[in-house]
Amino acid sequence: KAGVTQTPRYLIKTRGQQVTLSCSPISGHRSVSWYQQTPGQGLQFLFEYFSETQRNKGNFPGRFSGRQFSNSRSEMNVSTLELGDSALYLCASSLGPGTYNEQFFGPGTRLTVL
Amino acid sequence: GENVEQHPSTLSVQEGDSAVIKCTYSDSASNYFPWYKQELGKGPQLIIDIRSNVGEKKDQRIAVTLNKTAKHFSLHITETQPEDSAVYFCAASNPFGNEKLTFGTGTRLTIIP
Repeated sequence: KAGVTQTPRYLIKTRGQQVTLSCSPISGHRSVSWYQQTPGQGLQFLFEYFSETQRNKGNFPGRFSGRQFSNSRSEMNVSTLELGDSALYLCASSLGPGTYNEQFFGPGTRLTVL
Repeated sequence: GENVEQHPSTLSVQEGDSAVIKCTYSDSASNYFPWYKQELGKGPQLIIDIRSNVGEKKDQRIAVTLNKTAKHFSLHITETQPEDSAVYFCAASNPFGNEKLTFGTGTRLTIIP
């Protein structure tokens, strides 16, 4: 069974631009969560989607948004990029919502903001 | 909200020796504690988890212990091997609260051959 795939793997943007990252969950998984990983702040939860609905959100500004499609694929968008948005963005999928279901992580998208 | 502290930040052990990583959490309502291993260029992978109704769980060379009174939990790796070299993260969540995973800051484990 294929794992979680994230595209693109690497991305370079400049301040003020916006970016869209994509995540394809493991087949049959209906929940997708997004995390930001930085050396200074570690792994921080962004949001979780299940059945096309955001069911949980971390403490990030409104510039960070996401959505989930009917096939469970998810996208996250960051608008008006700032230097501090440079990070590895990880997507994780699970069979169902909540943290009792094992989360399987993708390899991440490395975003660099110049 | 929940706060998870993890120590040490780096750890080097001789191959064959044991490694111990410790985490403390702040939210007494948290009752799910997973551990993840992250290798270079990959996302974190769940290696073991424990729920608050047990004090210890083992899976071959890996074990996790939980002390709910003291609000700390530990990862124990015995008979370490070179492939154990990675960054390890602990996490905590309250599945009946806000449910999100709060991660520790990570431990870079290096196994010296």
